[in-house]
Amino acid sequence: EVQLVESGGGLIQPGGSLRLSCAASGFTVSSNYMSWVRQAPGKGLEWVSVVYSGGSTYYADSVKGRFTISRDISKNTLYLQMNSLRAEDTAVYYCAREPYSGGWYGAFDIWGQGTMVTVSS
Amino acid sequence: DILMTQSPSSLSASVGDRVTITCRASQGISSYLAWYQQKPGKVPKLLIYAASTLQSGVPSRFSGTGSGTDFALTISNLQPEDVATYYCQKYNSAPLTFGGGTKVEIK
Repeated sequence: EVQLVESGGGLIQPGGSLRLSCAASGFTVSSNYMSWVRQAPGKGLEWVSVVYSGGSTYYADSVKGRFTISRDISKNTLYLQMNSLRAEDTAVYYCAREPYSGGWYGAFDIWGQGTMVTVSS
Repeated sequence: DILMTQSPSSLSASVGDRVTITCRASQGISSYLAWYQQKPGKVPKLLIYAASTLQSGVPSRFSGTGSGTDFALTISNLQPEDVATYYCQKYNSAPLTFGGGTKVEIK
């Protein structure tokens, strides 16, 4: 079955760090484009970061310099390292797949169930 | 960066109505436009990609049109299970920006 399972969320103090994981099954993370998307309580969807199949990474301005996206090929897992966390980073964090094949890429067709990150003292 | 503007932000319609949501990109994005449905407390679900291609398993009452800067999502025969918030998204290149969302309710 094709699925994504996130973990690593929790309550963290402002200024702290957290690493989110997104384990994939049924497909290869490194062969696709993989993103993190977040949703603050009662708010809309906000794209956070992407890692393309070739390894290039991009970030939203709101997290640039604080968050790092990466992937472990051997574990078929996507990560989001979050440093210098702020109250405004409080959100449900989703990982999502953007399928890629032979130059063609699609939209976010597979989403994880989400993991909640709460930044509060 | 390209901005994605959805309208309206919310709407209320009757069962069986035809409903249209629009999405405007501040610069041309060809057909790299997707629509997602998010029901309360649930994970977003892909409805349409490439502006007009229906994702597998999505009911045919959903349709998408547009290219360049102006796009639309139409629900042709609104059903109670369509109560949700709908988002557009550009995915041609980063940043992969979402629109602000349109909340659809039943009258």
